[in-house]
Amino acid sequence: KQEVTQIPAALSVPEGENLVLNCSFTDSAIYNLQWFRQDPGKGLTSLLLIQSSQREQTSGRLNASLDKSSGRSTLYIAASQPGDSATYLCAVRPMIKAAGNKLTFGGGTRVLVKP
Amino acid sequence: NAGVTQTPKFRVLKTGQSMTLLCAQDMNHEYMYWYRQDPGMGLRLIHYSVGEGTTAKGEVPDGYNVSRLKKQNFLLGLESAAPSQTSVYFCASSWPGTNQYFGPGTRLTVT
Repeated sequence: KQEVTQIPAALSVPEGENLVLNCSFTDSAIYNLQWFRQDPGKGLTSLLLIQSSQREQTSGRLNASLDKSSGRSTLYIAASQPGDSATYLCAVRPMIKAAGNKLTFGGGTRVLVKP
Repeated sequence: NAGVTQTPKFRVLKTGQSMTLLCAQDMNHEYMYWYRQDPGMGLRLIHYSVGEGTTAKGEVPDGYNVSRLKKQNFLLGLESAAPSQTSVYFCASSWPGTNQYFGPGTRLTVT
């Protein structure tokens, strides 16, 4: 059974510092990995999706890397801003052609960027 | 284009009561999902549907039932609510193989 872990559960950094968020998964047979952002009391917003054949994906200040063999992904957020404060979740989709695009989520990392 | 909407936003139930949560999407997505989110545990899949008239069990289906009578709607039912079902419930939808789009969530408390 796939297990996804995000450590640490919470992180506090001063504004301007780079953020490094970690995600690990136990089964390397994944189709893709996705990073989401969740604001308090809100739903999830997809940030980046990395296919299993890719090593990284970039969008603006966000960069996500994937090392499938070691079961790790890292989300980098450059020059953090107070508006980046949120909970960040990663989720993996299995390689097996199971119906439904089922995702397995990590527990999330709650980020606070202090002005 | 409202995306994914959920009704209600908040609800308090007494143990043993029943209720239905409604999810609606206007993106013509084939797939729809119900998740629950508990503190520190991420999201866990309850039930999902790969098309109108179909449903399937996810990771934590016990105590819940679902129906997908119309493509745009996915209903989650609790027949006899228990305190262990206190959680935040999220609905999502997608095309096969693509990103899932999430609703804003329903916060349910069972006393």
